[in-house]
Amino acid sequence: RKEVEQDPGPFNVPEGATVAFNCTYSNSASQSFFWYRQDCRKEPKLLMSVYSSGNEDGRFTAQLNRASQYISLLIRDSKLSDSATYLCVVYSGAGSYQLTFGKGTKLSVIP
Amino acid sequence: GAVVSQHPSWVICKSGTSVKIECRSLDFQATTMFWYRQFPKQSLMLMATSNEGSKATYEQGVEKDKFLINHASLTLSTLTVTSAHPEDSSFYICSASPGISYGYTFGSGTRLTVV
Repeated sequence: RKEVEQDPGPFNVPEGATVAFNCTYSNSASQSFFWYRQDCRKEPKLLMSVYSSGNEDGRFTAQLNRASQYISLLIRDSKLSDSATYLCVVYSGAGSYQLTFGKGTKLSVIP
Repeated sequence: GAVVSQHPSWVICKSGTSVKIECRSLDFQATTMFWYRQFPKQSLMLMATSNEGSKATYEQGVEKDKFLINHASLTLSTLTVTSAHPEDSSFYICSASPGISYGYTFGSGTRLTVV
């Protein structure tokens, strides 16, 4: 089993649609979780951290289920500018400081 | 805050030459920085962990003599691709963090093309 697995893409959705991305991780000792956004040929940029209680930032909602080792990202009212690749990122801690990246899910929001 | 600067943004070099990439934390100190490589349509793969004042830790399969890392100060890490070959052509990105609660910030990346 891969350490961090994401929904295969691409997701092609119309403007205004709601889209959800899922991610599972294999290391039950993982400590922190993030969603990053990466535009084509650019570096990843932090979109939001994911907390056990769930968190929301405008149109974006992230959820974490530690029991199922599952993370989700919900985007409401999709905009054209949301088109990008979304990376699920897990921080394993335990002194390693390493981030483990999922392969990413490509989102294309179409007019 | 938490700005990471990476230079150059892109470089084209001839086979056999060496290329140095710089990664700087501009508004925080970073005892640890990370170097990643990303091939087209692939996820970021960690190459090595750069530790200030000590040797870097390389991931399995990454040649430490080919990818030289120096982290001489709390704000600067460099990656030197020695004797570059076309298969080294890739997108190299560094990252650092002032603390995990802030997440990790990435440099803008360096697109290396070896001809």
